[in-house]
Amino acid sequence: AQKITQTQPGMFVQEKEAVTLDCTYDTSDPSYGLFWYKQPSSGEMIFLIYQGSYDQQNATEGRYSLNFQKARKSANLVISASQLGDSAMYFCAMRVGEGAQKLVFGQGTRLTINP
Amino acid sequence: DTAVSQTPKYLVTQMGNDKSIKCEQNLGHDTMYWYKQDSKKFLKIMFSYNNKELIINETVPNRFSPKSPDKAHLNLHINSLELGDSAVYFCASSEVYNEQFFGPGTRLTVL
Repeated sequence: AQKITQTQPGMFVQEKEAVTLDCTYDTSDPSYGLFWYKQPSSGEMIFLIYQGSYDQQNATEGRYSLNFQKARKSANLVISASQLGDSAMYFCAMRVGEGAQKLVFGQGTRLTINP
Repeated sequence: DTAVSQTPKYLVTQMGNDKSIKCEQNLGHDTMYWYKQDSKKFLKIMFSYNNKELIINETVPNRFSPKSPDKAHLNLHINSLELGDSAVYFCASSEVYNEQFFGPGTRLTVL
């Protein structure tokens, strides 16, 4: 069965520091995609970054990068130079299936950036 | 310019009532979804439609009935609402294999 695990329920980081949010996944399907979403206190779900299982390079989008370690089945999100506006819930998700598409989400990590 | 919109944003109703949530996307995507986020923030897929055809029904009680009149709209109708249905319901859309774009969510409270 496909599963995403985020082991950090909450994290507190000082502004301007880098932060790594952990995500491990479990699937027997060789084709999958990994996503990170941000959910601020206002409630919307904001797409941050995507990594495909066959991608050779780690994905980067501005201050966000995805540390993809396929053998370890981990897909950690790294946020560089954190800002107060980064305080939010962060969800790791995996897309499974070639035909029917769905996202399986982890439990989320609440990130708080301290000034 | 809203990409995925949902109405209403808040819905407060009594147990036993029937209610609907509407979703529209203007991104031209073929696939639309309904997710439920519970009080612990856990998100779970409920349904997925591709070009108006149901392709995922994730063991949701049949009190929940999605309807897709066209590929830009996916509505969710809930019959005989129960206390446990209280949650935030998100609509989303995507192209195949790409990221899913989420609507703002509908917070349903059943009293």
